[in-house]
Amino acid sequence: NAGVMQNPRHLVRRRGQEARLRCSPMKGHSHVYWYRQLPEEGLKFMVYLQKENIIDESGMPKERFSAEFPKEGPSILRIQQVVRGDSAAYFCASSQPKTGGTNEKLFFGSGTQLSVL
Amino acid sequence: AQKITQTQPGMFVQEKEAVTLDCTYDTSDPSYGLFWYKQPSSGEMIFLIYQGSYDQQNATEGRYSLNFQKARKSANLVISASQLGDSAMYFCAMSPDTGRRALTFGSGTRLQVQP
Repeated sequence: NAGVMQNPRHLVRRRGQEARLRCSPMKGHSHVYWYRQLPEEGLKFMVYLQKENIIDESGMPKERFSAEFPKEGPSILRIQQVVRGDSAAYFCASSQPKTGGTNEKLFFGSGTQLSVL
Repeated sequence: AQKITQTQPGMFVQEKEAVTLDCTYDTSDPSYGLFWYKQPSSGEMIFLIYQGSYDQQNATEGRYSLNFQKARKSANLVISASQLGDSAMYFCAMSPDTGRRALTFGSGTRLQVQP
């Protein structure tokens, strides 16, 4: 029973290139969250998606960043024209469909470490 | 808006001893959930324990327990009988009782267990 799968594990890009980060949620999970973690800091929420819908993107930078979760296939976090400040660990988490309450546990992937040269 | 504060950047503990990691929070939500996650050097985020704001009893999961003091808005993690494998970053997080459900994380505490 595979957990949340993220790839690649490490991604190196030069300034101005595009970065694509992939996330496959756990089986049966239809909710995906993306978080960013800078060194020695906590995780910062970026975006929350369900299949084919963006539910909350309040943590996403207004420019260059986009996310999708298509009907088929993994969720993609896309960063266009990367800059050095985009260097961080990007984590994906998934959860089951909402059943109410506050105890919806998120299952995290191992993260993608993006390095911008 | 929610806020999680972890005031201990780093902690040391001797193997087999207990250690408390502090977490305070601020929220205007009437109900909420509190979580602790462990992040070892390998980078993954591992769920440890959950406490609901209306739960009458403090949560326990094996060697982990959550000292929940609602009036003081604190949710400290207690690890009993520390092991070398407990050395890691520990993050406190909160979820709101809204459809958004995204967790808000603290800045973390690095725990080092010494032999």
